[in-house]
Amino acid sequence: GAVVSQHPSWVICKSGTSVKIECRSLDFQATTMFWYRQFPKQSLMLMATSNEGSKATYEQGVEKDKFLINHASLTLSTLTVTSAHPEDSSFYICSGLAGGLVYGSDTQYFGPGTRLTVL
Amino acid sequence: GQQVMQIPQYQHVQEGEDFTTYCNSSTTLSNIQWYKQRPGGHPVFLIQLVKSGEVKKQKRLTFQFGEAKKNSSLHITATQTTDVGTYFCAGRSQGAQKLVFGQGTRLTINP
Repeated sequence: GAVVSQHPSWVICKSGTSVKIECRSLDFQATTMFWYRQFPKQSLMLMATSNEGSKATYEQGVEKDKFLINHASLTLSTLTVTSAHPEDSSFYICSGLAGGLVYGSDTQYFGPGTRLTVL
Repeated sequence: GQQVMQIPQYQHVQEGEDFTTYCNSSTTLSNIQWYKQRPGGHPVFLIQLVKSGEVKKQKRLTFQFGEAKKNSSLHITATQTTDVGTYFCAGRSQGAQKLVFGQGTRLTINP
């Protein structure tokens, strides 16, 4: 199946700093990428949908100025958590939408996730 | 907005017993997907169902999509310790781009 990588896999930062997370589709082009957040023992909550070359669409309750998303190419999307606080500590997971003849219709492939801890 | 409910939240079984998790959507779905997440890991795609009434099998796993395309189930026959994890369904409403995840069913197994 399609492969999505995420970097870093984990990060610890001080409160008030910004953290950038990269999401790459390695063997397919993802015109759409999704960013999720998962708190311990909870489900994945969609934060935003990112289409290449356009502004991300944020879910209700997600601050777009705090969670900056850039999807500059068909294989790379980044999420920047600005002025991080302890309540932003979570597991952040991206996924790329793979379509077309090779991967079938609209299957999402998830990255391995980034565990963010804000002290 | 669209909601996807999944039950049960937790299930503990003896190894060798069967396991079923159910998924219900508030809206008609264009497709439903199932994922497995091992403890400490990320969701791994298992399968996608598209057609009304569709049934697909993967070894001991059987996936069903309801006739109305609003519910789905995952059944595991004769569970093994390797089946431990949380199983999520995720549905996409007709015409929508995003997947909405159920709360997941966490499966633990007594060897």
